[in-house]
Amino acid sequence: RKEVEQDPGPFNVPEGATVAFNCTYSNSASQSFFWYRQDCRKEPKLLMSVYSSGNEDGRFTAQLNRASQYISLLIRDSKLSDSATYLCVVNRGSGNTGKLIFGQGTTLQVKP
Amino acid sequence: EAQVTQNPRYLITVTGKKLTVTCSQNMNHEYMSWYRQDPGLGLRQIYYSMNVEVTDKGDVPEGYKVSRKEKRNFPLILESPSPNQTSLYFCASRYQGAQQPQHFGDGTRLSIL
Repeated sequence: RKEVEQDPGPFNVPEGATVAFNCTYSNSASQSFFWYRQDCRKEPKLLMSVYSSGNEDGRFTAQLNRASQYISLLIRDSKLSDSATYLCVVNRGSGNTGKLIFGQGTTLQVKP
Repeated sequence: EAQVTQNPRYLITVTGKKLTVTCSQNMNHEYMSWYRQDPGLGLRQIYYSMNVEVTDKGDVPEGYKVSRKEKRNFPLILESPSPNQTSLYFCASRYQGAQQPQHFGDGTRLSIL
């Protein structure tokens, strides 16, 4: 079993749709959680950190459920420009330790 | 402009010919890391460095070396490259603190024939 698991998709949705991705992690000691976005053949870029209380950034909402060890990302009012791969990222350690574990990514394709 | 710079961006080479991929960041970040990305496997950490002269293995260190003699530079060395090291490589850096986001370089596409 992978340490961080995501449904690879692809998710094909029309513009304006609401889409949600889930991600599960196996290490209960994980302390930090992120969603990164990666466009084809480009570098990953931070989309948002995920906080215990949940957080929102415009059309994007991230949730963390520590008891069930999953993280979610909700995208409202999808735009064509949201088409990308979304990477769930978990920091395996705490303090300054550096091991980020990446999920394989979920591919989103927003159609006109 | 704050950035992580990798060179080269693309390289095709042959088995056994030593190569170095450079990585430099201008943000005074303490932490730097190398990843490889392969289809179906996602991004996997090769080596990381918490600060100058402090390096440690990631999940897939075999066949790679790194050094951290200066804060801004973190080169990745393949002493004797093999075809299974054909991959897309990313360097990343961040400030200390596990909650800090990582900044990635543009990537280096290596093909080992």
